[in-house]
Amino acid sequence: SYGLTQPPSLSVSPGQTARITCSGDAVSKKYVYWYQKKSGQAPVLVIYDDTKRPSGIPDRFSGSSSGTTATLTVTGAQVDDDADYYCYTTDSSVDPLFGGGTSLTVL
Amino acid sequence: QLHLQESGPGLVKPSETLSLTCDVSGFSLTRGHYWDWVRLPPGKGLEWVGTVHHTGSNYNNPSLKSRVSISVDTSRNRFSLKFNYVSAEDTAFYYCARRYYPGSGTYYYDAWGPGIMVTVSS
Repeated sequence: SYGLTQPPSLSVSPGQTARITCSGDAVSKKYVYWYQKKSGQAPVLVIYDDTKRPSGIPDRFSGSSSGTTATLTVTGAQVDDDADYYCYTTDSSVDPLFGGGTSLTVL
Repeated sequence: QLHLQESGPGLVKPSETLSLTCDVSGFSLTRGHYWDWVRLPPGKGLEWVGTVHHTGSNYNNPSLKSRVSISVDTSRNRFSLKFNYVSAEDTAFYYCARRYYPGSGTYYYDAWGPGIMVTVSS
């Protein structure tokens, strides 16, 4: 199966560390990317190639991947990080695969 | 700088055809990569709809069966989505996006339009 599984929701207090997981067979075969999605806005890439951070993304965002699980970590989460987060990769061909999304609440 | 902009009707009747266009500026479609439509239904997650290449080759999400058709107009630097026989389940924000190939690894989305809300209702 090439589906990607994420927890539906996660809640942390400001300053705490949030870890969002993404599991699936495709994770062990392809790079994983993470998108932040806020209401009314287009998705924003926060992690690419499993661990790299695009320019302009705060260094509190980091990524890792091991076996069939990738993890997005937000160290010292801020209220502004309150959003939905989606993992993404491609399947055995190049068809896009999105995880179901995780709603991160920072409150 | 690459910029994408969706346009089309915000309201479509059930069983009719949804037509959306994505105008691309700052980058010629003929330079490659993939050009996609992605949607976000209310209360649900992101869903890939379909893909077109500047050569005209296209393919779509098998879960949408043959209702989706995506075409490209390189002379106007735009690509378009036609979605047949829509129902309320097709109500969603629709985004056009570039799926970029960095030369190795995986295609991924590096640029998105702001999105357009489409409601299917009589």
